[in-house]
Amino acid sequence: KQEVTQIPAALSVPEGENLVLNCSFTDSAIYNLQWFRQDPGKGLTSLLLIQSSQREQTSGRLNASLDKSSGRSTLYIAASQPGDSATYLCAVGSGGSYIPTFGRGTSLIVHP
Amino acid sequence: DTAVSQTPKYLVTQMGNDKSIKCEQNLGHDTMYWYKQDSKKFLKIMFSYNNKELIINETVPNRFSPKSPDKAHLNLHINSLELGDSAVYFCASSQNSGANVLTFGAGSRLTVL
Repeated sequence: KQEVTQIPAALSVPEGENLVLNCSFTDSAIYNLQWFRQDPGKGLTSLLLIQSSQREQTSGRLNASLDKSSGRSTLYIAASQPGDSATYLCAVGSGGSYIPTFGRGTSLIVHP
Repeated sequence: DTAVSQTPKYLVTQMGNDKSIKCEQNLGHDTMYWYKQDSKKFLKIMFSYNNKELIINETVPNRFSPKSPDKAHLNLHINSLELGDSAVYFCASSQNSGANVLTFGAGSRLTVL
């Protein structure tokens, strides 16, 4: 059964720092990996989707990489801003049912 | 227009009651999901339907019964509510059951007293 771990669980940084959030998974036979953002009291917003054949995806200040063989993905946030404060969730699609399995998230606070 | 809409957004009820949460998507997607997010923010899949057919039913008590009248709707009915059912329930959809982007609703916060 796929297990997804996100480290760190919480992170507090000053504005302007470059950040790396980590996601690891136990079963490397994945179809895709998706990064989401969740604001307090809100739903999830998809940030980036990496298919299993891809190594990375970029969107603006966000870059996500995937290393299937080592069971890891990283989300890189450049020049962090207070508006980036949210919980970031990693979801791994695997198994015959393709159902994404979520990690517990990294709670990020960027202070001015 | 909201892509995935859930109603109600908040639901407060007594133990033992029966309640429903509705979900609709206007994206033309074939696959819909229900996830439960507990107090520790952990998101766990409950059900998945593809074109009105159940494809995933995780270890969820049979007090929870999903119903998909058409592929744009997936409703969740809960019988005999218990305190432990208090959580935020998220509906999501994807183009099909393959490797597609998930689109989530805003969530329905259920509180059982």
